[in-house]
Amino acid sequence: KNEVEQSPQNLTAQEGEFITINCSYSVGISALHWLQQHPGGGIVSLFMLSSGKKKHGRLIATINIQEKHSSLHITASHPRDSAVYICAVQGAKGGADGLTFGKGTHLIIQP
Amino acid sequence: NAGVMQNPRHLVRRRGQEARLRCSPMKGHSHVYWYRQLPEEGLKFMVYLQKENIIDESGMPKERFSAEFPKEGPSILRIQQVVRGDSAAYFCASSPGLPPMSYEQYFGPGTRLTVT
Repeated sequence: KNEVEQSPQNLTAQEGEFITINCSYSVGISALHWLQQHPGGGIVSLFMLSSGKKKHGRLIATINIQEKHSSLHITASHPRDSAVYICAVQGAKGGADGLTFGKGTHLIIQP
Repeated sequence: NAGVMQNPRHLVRRRGQEARLRCSPMKGHSHVYWYRQLPEEGLKFMVYLQKENIIDESGMPKERFSAEFPKEGPSILRIQQVVRGDSAAYFCASSPGLPPMSYEQYFGPGTRLTVT
């Protein structure tokens, strides 16, 4: 069973700061997902990674398969980035595996 | 192309009643996953279905919970004789199930179940 750990649990930063959220997992995976959830809201898939790095706008996600570690970066953070960011991993069976989730990182960006 | 749809968005049930949650996957997606998010807890996998087949139900409680994904129509998560502990947000996600996109999961808006 995969254990997914995220850090930090809570993060408060000022608008414009560079944000890093980390995720580590214990067992080999087929893919890693970064998700965003606003309070009381739905879940938006930000990235799915199996290797390397992906960038979308101000968001960057990286993964190191050997170290079983991924990071989500937000550049030039904005109050609208305030949300819970969740790391989730998909097991070795790929699509046949449901996701295993971290507990999430509560991010608040103050103006 | 409409996204994943779930209904109802909010559902209130009294203890002992049945709850039926519906999930319509994205067009062309034949794989559905159900997840539960208990208050102040993380998301947990419940069940993975393909059309007319349950592939993995290892996350489903052994009693009162069932899921189906018929040939026609939405996937249904059914909770019989609900108890207060069933109050949670239930999310479904759909996937095309075909490489290389087979790992992509698209989430619905969720159904928030409250048991009174």
